Amino acid sequence: QLQLQESGPGLVKPSETLSLTCTGSGGSISSDYYYLGWIRQPPGKGLEWIGSIYYSGTTHYNPSLKSRVTMSVDTSKNQFSLKVRSVTAADTAVYYCAKGKDILTGYYQWGQGALVTVSS
Amino acid sequence: QSALTQPPSASGSPGQSVTISCTGTSSDVGGYNYVSWYQQHPGKAPKLLIYEVSKRPSGVPDRFSGSKSGNTASLTVSGLQAEDEAGYYCSSYGGSNNVLFGGGTMLTVL
Repeated sequence: QLQLQESGPGLVKPSETLSLTCTGSGGSISSDYYYLGWIRQPPGKGLEWIGSIYYSGTTHYNPSLKSRVTMSVDTSKNQFSLKVRSVTAADTAVYYCAKGKDILTGYYQWGQGALVTVSS
Repeated sequence: QSALTQPPSASGSPGQSVTISCTGTSSDVGGYNYVSWYQQHPGKAPKLLIYEVSKRPSGVPDRFSGSKSGNTASLTVSGLQAEDEAGYYCSSYGGSNNVLFGGGTMLTVL
């Protein structure tokens, strides 16, 4: 069964770029017309949808983050990635990668999450 | 678009039923039958419980059920068990290729 695992720096300086990678194991991230997404959760707070990328390459981003976010997929490495530019302390959160069927029906497979702290 | 509105907390005794609400607008919850619910235990990743308002993924007990009326969706947990104590989040398609989450409800089993 597919498992997802986030990886990347746990500490990022303000104004720099946050970069995370999600790697699939035990299966392919690109099976079943995949829809791969990122969701974050500030410490002690609720979930926030960052965006997703379809198997077709189409991306959907949260309008509030759209100007700073880029997502991409590397099927040869069974990975997909997230970049958030010009980060501030408000971007400190646990970042989850997840897989679903489409934008409508939720994410049925999640990574364990990676804490990213923005601080100088 | 603002986050969906959930009560911060809910509680019930073992064996009882509890219902958690999720209120949006006619542009999200009320406009589409694409509401999902997630369960999150402390320190763990969310788990999909309900999608398309009332459908359960394989393996989710039928003690969990979802419904919707107007701009408010609801998750009902029947026959409460100790392991149901967790955070619960609703999510809705918000139109224009956007997804909204609720603020979350912490369920306590008394």
